[in-house]
Amino acid sequence: SQTIHQWPATLVQPVGSPLSLECTVEGTSNPNLYWYRQAAGRGLQLLFYSVGIGQISSEVPQNLSASRPQDRQFILSSKKLLLSDSGFYLCAWRDRYYFGEQFFGPGTRLTVL
Amino acid sequence: AQSVTQLGSHVSVSEGALVLLRCNYSSSVPPYLFWYVQYPNQGLQLLLKYTTGATLVKGINGFEAEFKKSETSFHLTKPSAHMSDAAEYFCALTQGDMRFGAGTRLTVKP
Repeated sequence: SQTIHQWPATLVQPVGSPLSLECTVEGTSNPNLYWYRQAAGRGLQLLFYSVGIGQISSEVPQNLSASRPQDRQFILSSKKLLLSDSGFYLCAWRDRYYFGEQFFGPGTRLTVL
Repeated sequence: AQSVTQLGSHVSVSEGALVLLRCNYSSSVPPYLFWYVQYPNQGLQLLLKYTTGATLVKGINGFEAEFKKSETSFHLTKPSAHMSDAAEYFCALTQGDMRFGAGTRLTVKP
């Protein structure tokens, strides 16, 4: 069966510091991968998605970037965090050839102080 | 363009009462429809999905939803609410790209 991991689970960082959140998927190959953010009291915002290694599409221009160095690894980064980057970050995957449901990881709670 | 509208950002029911969470969609072609549940500080968990075939779909935890094309709706129901049902619920659709509703927070009163 497939599983998706995210780490760290929680993170408290000062403004201006760098960020690296990691997501890995097991039990599947060539998945589509997604990064979402949930700000407090708000819905899901799609940040990035990837259909393959090195292929990243950005949905919202902002202070963040994403990379996919391996087929089942998806990384969310920032060089300098802003207060507005605080939120709950979710990684998800979907079968590339089936336009069905996405499966979500447990999430990372980021607080920028 | 495809979109999802969840009617009511907050719904409160008593334990044992009917749960009804409303979802309407807009889509130019028949979409796949989903309901997800999110507990505090957790990821989204798939409750149920509609792709093709039977319009009444059953999911986990006693929830079900009915696809009504004429009403462009996919409302989520549960006959009897339990305290453990308190969570955020998201309706979503996909024709390739997934679109989520804004979410409905369900509170269950004892």
